[in-house]
Amino acid sequence: DQQVKQNSPSLSVQEGRISILNCDYTNSMFDYFLWYKKYPAEGPTFLISISSIKDKNEDGRFTVFLNKSAKHLSLHIVPSQPGDSAVYFCAASVGGGSNYKLTFGKGTLLTVNP
Amino acid sequence: NAGVTQTPKFRVLKTGQSMTLLCAQDMNHEYMYWYRQDPGMGLRLIHYSVGEGTTAKGEVPDGYNVSRLKKQNFLLGLESAAPSQTSVYFCASSHFGPQHFGDGTRLSIL
Repeated sequence: DQQVKQNSPSLSVQEGRISILNCDYTNSMFDYFLWYKKYPAEGPTFLISISSIKDKNEDGRFTVFLNKSAKHLSLHIVPSQPGDSAVYFCAASVGGGSNYKLTFGKGTLLTVNP
Repeated sequence: NAGVTQTPKFRVLKTGQSMTLLCAQDMNHEYMYWYRQDPGMGLRLIHYSVGEGTTAKGEVPDGYNVSRLKKQNFLLGLESAAPSQTSVYFCASSHFGPQHFGDGTRLSIL
């Protein structure tokens, strides 16, 4: 019973173009969503988050969109850079306060080609 | 500027052996977590702690024990290692914000 789904195992884009990574969830109790980026042999690094009271959050080249009715969120990276090549994990939690247990998707490997 | 440090980085065990993975954080975070990541899978929560002296079960706790005797340290123990516990283990900590992860311990059980 996978509560957070990233249906695309991999994505390849050209440098300078937009990368769109998608994530779906099934648990309607989730109210806080995060994206993590992971390079090989390193731990995940926090990228951006969004609360369920918002439908968009932006941080530089990264924007996360949340569609609660569709239980869907997406991460947009514009413009994509070769250094963005990594595995991206979507994660969700109930109660995004100081203590929360994260449920992760399986990840999407993004490759940005020069 | 260490953040979350995991020891050891690699380890090979034989079935039935025991070992302890150490996680140390220097950010004075209250909350600490242990995850495992298997090929093609996301991270799954094993155990977590909401403060010194407290622990709680996560999604996949069987076969593991934990202890949080000091605020900065969170130990993960395998009493009798099994091949199914071959994985990459990540520790994380947090305090009113996103979780910060260590670089992982790659554990192989033969």
